[in-house]
Amino acid sequence: EAEVAQSPRYKITEKSQAVAFWCDPISGHATLYWYRQILGQGPELLVQFQDESVVDDSQLPKDRFSAERLKGVDSTLKIQPAELGDSAMYLCASSFKTNTEAFFGQGTRLTVV
Amino acid sequence: GESVGLHLPTLSVQEGDNSIINCAYSNSASDYFIWYKQESGKGPQFIIDIRSNMDKRQGQRVTVLLNKTVKHLSLQIAATQPGDSAVYFCAEKGGSYIPTFGRGTSLIVHP
Repeated sequence: EAEVAQSPRYKITEKSQAVAFWCDPISGHATLYWYRQILGQGPELLVQFQDESVVDDSQLPKDRFSAERLKGVDSTLKIQPAELGDSAMYLCASSFKTNTEAFFGQGTRLTVV
Repeated sequence: GESVGLHLPTLSVQEGDNSIINCAYSNSASDYFIWYKQESGKGPQFIIDIRSNMDKRQGQRVTVLLNKTVKHLSLQIAATQPGDSAVYFCAEKGGSYIPTFGRGTSLIVHP
């Protein structure tokens, strides 16, 4: 069964360091989302891609976060510098089209110390 | 503003009972709804979806009901099993087609 792949599963980093997460969506899925989920809360959208273009990054803290999907397939989310408040689960999801169901990866659990 | 919220943060049921998880939404333009199940330490897993031109959809042991008049949807799980224990989220897709999540309901199934 096709899955959204994310790596790493877990990441511990010191504050002020840079950290990057990788996502490989389900093959053929044009739409890709990055979400952040704080423990006990629902996922919150950070950025949405349609192919290689950013559709919505209004909730992305652009002073420290960046996201790219250069070839319209896999994607990288970067944080530089990391802050203690960035500790959360970072989830990637993909969908075939914008109006179809989104499938999630297992996420990357980030701990900033 | 646009929001999706759940009525109860925790629902405890006995194994074999039916479970009903409720969700309210405020955006009348929402036309597509998805239920997700999230187990501890894992990403949300798609369960079932429903479009606004329907008021009921059934899957395996699950049924979603949509009441557009009062902007409410529910997820019914028949014969709840311990493996159903998880946090359940409803997500809404409106005009922006971005899945927007509520807070979630924790379902606890007692054997």
